Amino acid sequence: DTGVSQDPRHKITKRGQNVTFRCDPISEHNRLYWYRQTLGQGPEFLTYFQNEAQLEKSRLLSDRFSAERPKGSFSTLEIQRTEQGDSAMYLCASSLRLAGGRELYNEQFFGPGTRLTVL
Amino acid sequence: AQSVTQLDSQVPVFEEAPVELRCNYSSSVSVYLFWYVQYPNQGLQLLLKYLSGSTLVKGINGFEAEFNKSQTSFHLRKPSVHISDTAEYFCAVSPNSGGYQKVTFGTGTKLQVIP
Repeated sequence: DTGVSQDPRHKITKRGQNVTFRCDPISEHNRLYWYRQTLGQGPEFLTYFQNEAQLEKSRLLSDRFSAERPKGSFSTLEIQRTEQGDSAMYLCASSLRLAGGRELYNEQFFGPGTRLTVL
Repeated sequence: AQSVTQLDSQVPVFEEAPVELRCNYSSSVSVYLFWYVQYPNQGLQLLLKYLSGSTLVKGINGFEAEFNKSQTSFHLRKPSVHISDTAEYFCAVSPNSGGYQKVTFGTGTKLQVIP
C-alpha cells in the first residue's frame, strides 16, 4: 500500500446529476477525512470518520452531501443534485489514531484528489 | 477557532536564490503548525511540522520553518531554490489540545522558480 487513493481523478457532470467519489485510505489508518478545495483556496474541512463512525461534519456539508465509511476502510462521498458551485477538488486524507493516553497529533496523508466540474 | 493568513498569493524567485514564504496564524489555544506542498493536479504532501520543542523545524527538500510565538508566525524558508520547488505551499494550524485536531489551512502561496 503506497498511499491514499481516490477514484475517479476527474469527473465532469451536468447540473442536477448525482456523483459519487471513492477514497481508499492507507490500510492501517483508522481516521479518514474529506476536504474540499476551490480555486485559489486552501482545503476546507468537510467531515471525518474514526473507523466507521462519522464524528464531525462541517456546516459546508449541506443536505445534498453524504459520506459513508461502512466497514471502516474505504469511504464514499456522494453529492446529489449537483450545482455549479460544487465544482472543486475533493481531497481525502487518512491518519492513524493511537489508542490510549493523551491524543497525539497524527499526520494526515492526502490522496491525489477528485476534480469535479459541474456544467 | 483558528485562522491562517498567507499574505503572498504568488512569489516569483530566481533559481538558486533564497526564498521565504510568510505565514501568520491566530488561535486562542496552543497550536500545532504545518507546511504542506501541492504540485499541480496532486494532493498535499507534508513538508514539515511544529509540535513542540525547538522552534526551528527542518523538513524535506531542504525547507525549514521557524515558530515565533510572540509574532504568531511560522515562516517557511529555503536557502537555495530549484526549478522543482515550483508548486503551491499551504500553511496550516490545528489545536494541540486533546480530542480531534481539526486542521485549518491558509489560502496558499504559489512559488514560481524562474530559470
